[in-house]
Amino acid sequence: AQSVTQLGSHVSVSEGALVLLRCNYSSSVPPYLFWYVQYPNQGLQLLLKYTSAATLVKGINGFEAEFKKSETSFHLTKPSAHMSDAAEYFCAVSEAGGFKTIFGAGTRLFVKA
Amino acid sequence: GAGVSQTPSNKVTEKGKYVELRCDPISGHTALYWYRQSLGQGPEFLIYFQGTGAADDSGLPNDRFFAVRPEGSVSTLKIQRTERGDSAVYLCASSLTGGLAGGREQYFGPGTRLTVT
Repeated sequence: AQSVTQLGSHVSVSEGALVLLRCNYSSSVPPYLFWYVQYPNQGLQLLLKYTSAATLVKGINGFEAEFKKSETSFHLTKPSAHMSDAAEYFCAVSEAGGFKTIFGAGTRLFVKA
Repeated sequence: GAGVSQTPSNKVTEKGKYVELRCDPISGHTALYWYRQSLGQGPEFLIYFQGTGAADDSGLPNDRFFAVRPEGSVSTLKIQRTERGDSAVYLCASSLTGGLAGGREQYFGPGTRLTVT
């Protein structure tokens, strides 16, 4: 069975600092992995996805994530936080050949001026 | 172009009543998903449609929940005998196809906030 664990329900960084949001997954088959972002009063939108091509995936707004099979991790990073990055971030996994997508509980990112 | 739309945006109902939640996917998207998001949680998978058929309904919590997509476009999530525990935001998403094993981007609607009093 698939599962996703996001470490830290809340993360606070200063503007300009590194953003690191952690995600670990479990899957019995090679997974597809996603990061979605949810801004206040808006729907979820895709930041980036891993679908078995390059392990370092670049997404929108300067975010990237690296798939590490040995660590079963897919952590999201951004070198320099902006105030506009304040939002809730969800890591998700689906199985190659499957339809069901499993989401983590989310990490709320706060950016301090 | 138009995104995924959901109606109503908010629904308040009394315990025991029946509700219907509607989802209009992006035109041409054959795959449609329903999720439930409780406060402080991530979206929880309910059901997936490929075309008109429910390809995976394993996430529906019990037989009070049912969903249809009769013409392969608009979908309706139906909840009978609502309970207070059903209160949540119900999200709909669509994608071009789910046939390639879940690797497609899902486009989410704004959700319907259901409150059962």
